[in-house]
Amino acid sequence: NAGVMQNPRHLVRRRGQEARLRCSPMKGHSHVYWYRQLPEEGLKFMVYLQKENIIDESGMPKERFSAEFPKEGPSILRIQQVVRGDSAAYFCASSPFGGFDNQPQHFGDGTRLSIL
Amino acid sequence: AQSVTQLGSHVSVSEGALVLLRCNYSSSVPPYLFWYVQYPNQGLQLLLKYTSAATLVKGINGFEAEFKKSETSFHLTKPSAHMRDAAEYFCAVCSSGTYKYIFGTGTRLKVLA
Repeated sequence: NAGVMQNPRHLVRRRGQEARLRCSPMKGHSHVYWYRQLPEEGLKFMVYLQKENIIDESGMPKERFSAEFPKEGPSILRIQQVVRGDSAAYFCASSPFGGFDNQPQHFGDGTRLSIL
Repeated sequence: AQSVTQLGSHVSVSEGALVLLRCNYSSSVPPYLFWYVQYPNQGLQLLLKYTSAATLVKGINGFEAEFKKSETSFHLTKPSAHMRDAAEYFCAVCSSGTYKYIFGTGTRLKVLA
């Protein structure tokens, strides 16, 4: 996928550590979305960000999770004090405009987070 | 509230046989509908999308889907399966003017030689 870049592809953390997941949207895209895919489940919306703004974080767990999309640099999804239940694939998507404008969201290859 | 139901978490077909993956949606407003494919350890790749134009939508890799409002369905089909079609397929719905995709739980397609 030459578009949305996520790193790392795989991340292993021990319980209690912090996990930082990065996402660089496609060129020209200023809207970023994070989704989580638990084993054997579909993707679930977590948060929608524009540059320097969180637009909708209704899908984010209330504690330990935060996201940002600074003026410069990638979007970051941060999970503090990770627990085993955080093990999942985290996908980032981007679009050129907010709201649906006949342009679908483009997804990255995801970060597979494993908690030991 | 919107929702998506994919019937059959696992589907097996023989190579060359018809592929039919089922998706039913629930939406209080006209929906936009998508099919994505996910190969192992990769992200989601858009196969096709329905955006209220033609009800029969043609996508990549020979796939197509038909929007049937009366049945609230958007089933994915391909006339002849190929080994490379083995993957997981996700149906998603989004309301016009919004950004939150609601995904189904996925259907894993296995193609038998």
